[in-house]
Amino acid sequence: AQSVSQHNHHVILSEAASLELGCNYSYGGTVNLFWYVQYPGQHLQLLLKYFSGDPLVKGIKGFEAEFIKSKFSFNLRKPSVQWSDTAEYFCAVVWPGYSSASKIIFGSGTRLSIRP
Amino acid sequence: NAGVTQTPKFQVLKTGQSMTLQCAQDMNHEYMSWYRQDPGMGLRLIHYSVGAGITDQGEVPNGYNVSRSTTEDFPLRLLSAAPSQTSVYFCASSPQGATTDTQYFGPGTRLTVL
Repeated sequence: AQSVSQHNHHVILSEAASLELGCNYSYGGTVNLFWYVQYPGQHLQLLLKYFSGDPLVKGIKGFEAEFIKSKFSFNLRKPSVQWSDTAEYFCAVVWPGYSSASKIIFGSGTRLSIRP
Repeated sequence: NAGVTQTPKFQVLKTGQSMTLQCAQDMNHEYMSWYRQDPGMGLRLIHYSVGAGITDQGEVPNGYNVSRSTTEDFPLRLLSAAPSQTSVYFCASSPQGATTDTQYFGPGTRLTVL
């Protein structure tokens, strides 16, 4: 079965540090990729998504992600984090060729804590 | 626009009780879905709907029923609550589907089954 792995369960950084959160998925082929974020007390919202084209995708609030097909990865990055980036981050993957047209699989999430 | 709304925000049930979690969206989205979020497991898809009158099962459908009589509403029914259904439930909607569209999430319902 398809799966999505986020190996970093909890990441703690100081402000201005660089961030990279890992996301790996099983199976190759065509994939659509998403990063969602849940700030404390708020709804999940989309950070960025990749369907095709330039594998380096830019999202909101200075986040970017790189799709590396050979590594089945879609890691999230930010050069300099802020205290306001404290949140839980979810990677999500769809395999349009394998799964039902409307199914999406989420990773288990990474909790990011930023020390002021 | 209110976006996606869910009621109630919190609910405590006893084992065997039934209840309905409400979800509504005012964006005229065709696709709606229900997820449960458990610690260390991320979001898992329970049921989804691609339009009024059409529903299908997700990854963890057992113990839950859904219906979609209107575009706006997508209630989730727990027929006989069990402690294993203690979780946070999120409803989401998107214009066409989760495959290529951004999903818009509701605030969640925190359910405890004793």
